[in-house]
Amino acid sequence: QKEVEQNSGPLSVPEGAIASLNCTYSDRVSQSFFWYRQYSGKSPELIMSIYSNGDKEDGRFTAQLNKASQYVSLLIRDSQPSDSATYLCAVSGNNRLAFGKGNQVVVIP
Amino acid sequence: SAVISQKPSRDICQRGTSLTIQCQVDSQVTMMFWYRQQPGQSLTLIATANQGSEATYESGFVIDKFPISRPNLTFSTLTVSNMSPEDSSIYLCSVVSQEYTEAFFGQGTRLTVV
Repeated sequence: QKEVEQNSGPLSVPEGAIASLNCTYSDRVSQSFFWYRQYSGKSPELIMSIYSNGDKEDGRFTAQLNKASQYVSLLIRDSQPSDSATYLCAVSGNNRLAFGKGNQVVVIP
Repeated sequence: SAVISQKPSRDICQRGTSLTIQCQVDSQVTMMFWYRQQPGQSLTLIATANQGSEATYESGFVIDKFPISRPNLTFSTLTVSNMSPEDSSIYLCSVVSQEYTEAFFGQGTRLTVV
């Protein structure tokens, strides 16, 4: 099993809709969880971090963490064309970050 | 936060040659990380650069191919040696905050080997 898995294919959402991304991880002792956004040809940029079970909201973004089920999700409300990017889930452990393969989101105007 | 300056931003290299990528951080950090991102793929950790000791390499990456230097707490280099077209990728350096609350990335180096 990979350390961090993001299995969904490209996600197309209409402008204004909610985009939902999911991520599972294998190491139960992981403590910190992150969502990065990466535009084509650019470096990843942090958009959300979450450390405890439950929801964390920041603007149009909500991260959800469930340590018992070992998953973390990201919701993007009122999706905008500028949200079109690849979203990477990352989990810290063993003094490093492990990244999922990413999910491409395309917001259709 | 940390500001990371990485160079070169891109290069086109002949197979069999080597390229050294530099990463400068605006603050002292204990560990620096080097990642590779192949086209359409996620980030794969190559190694962790530790100041004062040898780098720690991930499975599938070896020092002879990717030698790393870490002369001080603000600087590191990654060399891609004896390059082949399969090494064409984006290489990124990264640092994390002390509490592992955030990771910061350099601008990346887009390498094309011909």
